[in-house]
Amino acid sequence: EPEVTQTPSHQVTQMGQEVILRCVPISNHLYFYWYRQILGQKVEFLVSFYNNEISEKSEIFDDQFSVERPDGSNFTLKIRSTKLEDSAMYFCAIGTSGSADTQYFGPGTRLTVL
Amino acid sequence: AQSVTQLGSHVSVSEGALVLLRCNYSSSVPPYLFWYVQYPNQGLQLLLKYTTGATLVKGINGFEAEFKKSETSFHLTKPSAHMSDAAEYFCAVSMTAGNKLTFGGGTRVLVKP
Repeated sequence: EPEVTQTPSHQVTQMGQEVILRCVPISNHLYFYWYRQILGQKVEFLVSFYNNEISEKSEIFDDQFSVERPDGSNFTLKIRSTKLEDSAMYFCAIGTSGSADTQYFGPGTRLTVL
Repeated sequence: AQSVTQLGSHVSVSEGALVLLRCNYSSSVPPYLFWYVQYPNQGLQLLLKYTTGATLVKGINGFEAEFKKSETSFHLTKPSAHMSDAAEYFCAVSMTAGNKLTFGGGTRVLVKP
């Protein structure tokens, strides 16, 4: 199973601040995803990223959110101006070229907005 | 839009008893189907998946699931529960390879000694 790490494991921020969550796949992958899980709720899809561009995004993924692969390795999710309701666990997932039908998840970043 | 329903948000089983977790999906075409497990304070780990071929799929830790197209179901079973099976289990579907996953609400499994 491909290894995916996420940093930080826990981020506490003030409402209105910008946060950047990072996903670091250990080897080269083609498909990248962000999901979030608000406490007590379902895991929700945010965005998928393929071939260096967004391939699909949910209605949650509004103008406050952005994604990029700044150095061809890390995959980041930026929230420009955090809201209280952004507090959630954020999971990065990757899909490999040899197994595009399967997504492997990182351990998550717990974001707390105060 | 796809939806996934997991019947029972909490399931309690005795150690050694059968574990049965139910998952139904709504889709006009057979999707790709997955079960993930989440242990406390950890990420989602893939248990097993169905894409094509044999409808009974085996996964890690003794779990298996059967895809039944006529019932639009993908129930997860394990013949004999172990204390280490205590976790939350998520059923998920995607329509094609590389497509987003749609998750069910999750079922938390408690194993009693």
